[in-house]
Amino acid sequence: SQQGEEDPQALSIQEGENATMNCSYKTSINNLQWYRQNSGRGLVHLILIRSNEREKHSGRLRVTLDTSKKSSSLLITASRAADTASYFCATSYSGYSTLTFGKGTMLLVSP
Amino acid sequence: ETGVTQTPRHLVMGMTNKKSLKCEQHLGHNAMYWYKQSAKKPLELMFVYSLEERVENNSVPSRFSPECPNSSHLFLHLHTLQPEDSALYLCASSQALAANEQFFGPGTRLTVL
Repeated sequence: SQQGEEDPQALSIQEGENATMNCSYKTSINNLQWYRQNSGRGLVHLILIRSNEREKHSGRLRVTLDTSKKSSSLLITASRAADTASYFCATSYSGYSTLTFGKGTMLLVSP
Repeated sequence: ETGVTQTPRHLVMGMTNKKSLKCEQHLGHNAMYWYKQSAKKPLELMFVYSLEERVENNSVPSRFSPECPNSSHLFLHLHTLQPEDSALYLCASSQALAANEQFFGPGTRLTVL
């Protein structure tokens, strides 16, 4: 399977703590994206990192990419209850025009 | 609001019914997608349209029939579904087929009795 695999499957933290989610994939990618999904809703694009980039920031989000290990991590700093959602990585593979999504990490941030 | 709307938001149907899901995007995008999201499974890409032409069909059963009459609208026609087809059906669009970001609608929660 070419899909990304997120780790952990579920994560429970307190408000103010940092949350780290990881994604591993199998073959060469053009880019890797992270999406958020609130319960029963559509996905919302968070951030995209290209294969020639190593780190990107957007507000409280920090994404890293290690192409040698075929892995990416999403760090949410100073988490809030509103960050409670499922987070998915999606990979754009060379030669394919569509995205492949993983199963997601379910994040619960308690007040 | 992502600029992609889906109707209905919830649908309950029997196995012998025929129904349709509708997706509309107000973003001027050229590519549209149908995904199926089942519990504890990755998002499954069902159909891809680019400039109203179907470009990908990932071995989806014929009881699902897509239609893209123009670049802003996408339908998924359903007939003689099975209970295992119960899922959240998500529509998405992107500026072009290989574009970086997809914009998702809120989904239709389908229950097949």
